[in-house]
Amino acid sequence: SQKIEQNSEALNIQEGKTATLTCNYTNYSPAYLQWYRQDPGRGPVFLLLIRENEKEKRKERLKVTFDTTLKQSLFHITASQPADSATYLCALIQSGGGNKLTFGTGTQLKVEL
Amino acid sequence: EAGVAQSPRYKIIEKRQSVAFWCNPISGHATLYWYQQILGQGPKLLIQFQNNGVVDDSQLPKDRFSAERLKGVDSTLKIQPAKLEDSAVYLCASSLSPRETDTQYFGPGTRLTVL
Repeated sequence: SQKIEQNSEALNIQEGKTATLTCNYTNYSPAYLQWYRQDPGRGPVFLLLIRENEKEKRKERLKVTFDTTLKQSLFHITASQPADSATYLCALIQSGGGNKLTFGTGTQLKVEL
Repeated sequence: EAGVAQSPRYKIIEKRQSVAFWCNPISGHATLYWYQQILGQGPKLLIQFQNNGVVDDSQLPKDRFSAERLKGVDSTLKIQPAKLEDSAVYLCASSLSPRETDTQYFGPGTRLTVL
């Protein structure tokens, strides 16, 4: 069966450290993988998109890697701040699937002072 | 630029009642999506519109859910009759086009509680 798995347990880290979140998928052939941020009571906000032929993408303090052999994406936030506390969702777009997003369950990140 | 607007923000109904949600996408966005997000899960696509036509409604429970986008701008999602398991946040999103690289912008959602 198809699955997109993210750490179900919340991730607590100290301010200034690097947070690393994992997205693993099974029985998908994604052409694109996206990461979103969701705050309580709000809709998801797009952060980064990475293509299947890209290994790494960066945007300011954010870095995403995409390994189609391992079927995994890692999302890193460097120099984390309390304002980075939120739920982070990965989403796949299948080859030929148009813009249809299939989301993982999300990982809650809490950055402590 | 105004974002995606949704109303109401909250709704509480009894099971077997009907409910409707409204969405106004970002101006100029041709593609509109409705998602269902159950607590603790990621959003699940229910239906995708391109202008006023349905592109994908494969995950819409058509025996009780319906959606329309008559003039290709705003959209309504209806549940009739509601079940307890329909309790969720209903998110509307829009994008400029259905291209894979076009960003989807989400509204704040409508939180539905079915008692």
